[in-house]
Amino acid sequence: GAVVSQHPSWVICKSGTSVKIECRSLDFQATTMFWYRQFPKQSLMLMATSNEGSKATYEQGVEKDKFLINHASLTLSTLTVTSAHPEDSSFYICSASGERTQYFGPGTRLLVL
Amino acid sequence: AQTVTQSQPEMSVQEAETVTLSCTYDTSESDYYLFWYKQPPSRQMILVIRQEAYKQQNATENRFSVNFQKAAKSFSLKISDSQLGDAAMYFCAYRSADMRFGAGTRLTVKP
Repeated sequence: GAVVSQHPSWVICKSGTSVKIECRSLDFQATTMFWYRQFPKQSLMLMATSNEGSKATYEQGVEKDKFLINHASLTLSTLTVTSAHPEDSSFYICSASGERTQYFGPGTRLLVL
Repeated sequence: AQTVTQSQPEMSVQEAETVTLSCTYDTSESDYYLFWYKQPPSRQMILVIRQEAYKQQNATENRFSVNFQKAAKSFSLKISDSQLGDAAMYFCAYRSADMRFGAGTRLTVKP
């Protein structure tokens, strides 16, 4: 099956710093990628839809200025958490849209101190 | 907006037995996909089974099968001959323009 990678797999940062998470589709081109956030023992919540070459579409309640998404190529989307705070600590998962399904990355665990 | 409901936060099954996980959804669309994903402790999302809404035949993948009732907007997952490795969180998902998930069901398999 298709492979989606994420980097880094985990990151610890100080409050106020910015963190960039990369999502790559390794063996197919993805015009659409999705970013999810998952708190412990909860489900995946869609944060935004990332379309190659255009602005991302954010879900209600997600701050677009805080969670910057760039989808510069058909194989790469990035999520930047700007001025991170402890409440941003979470598990972030990206997903690339295939023809009939979505392929998920392994996730990035973010801890903001 | 589409919603996905999993009413069973936790389920338990004896090894080699059969268990059914429930899922209902709400949509006004006619063309969509439904999925069951498994999330083990590694947190990697693993596709278990997929169902196209236009297909009446229930999808089957080895020990996993679904009962898709389109009119009732129900999509349950049956796991036969349960194995210890089946223990995980199971998420039901609906996909049209994007994919939305239910709250999940934690499945425990007892040896």
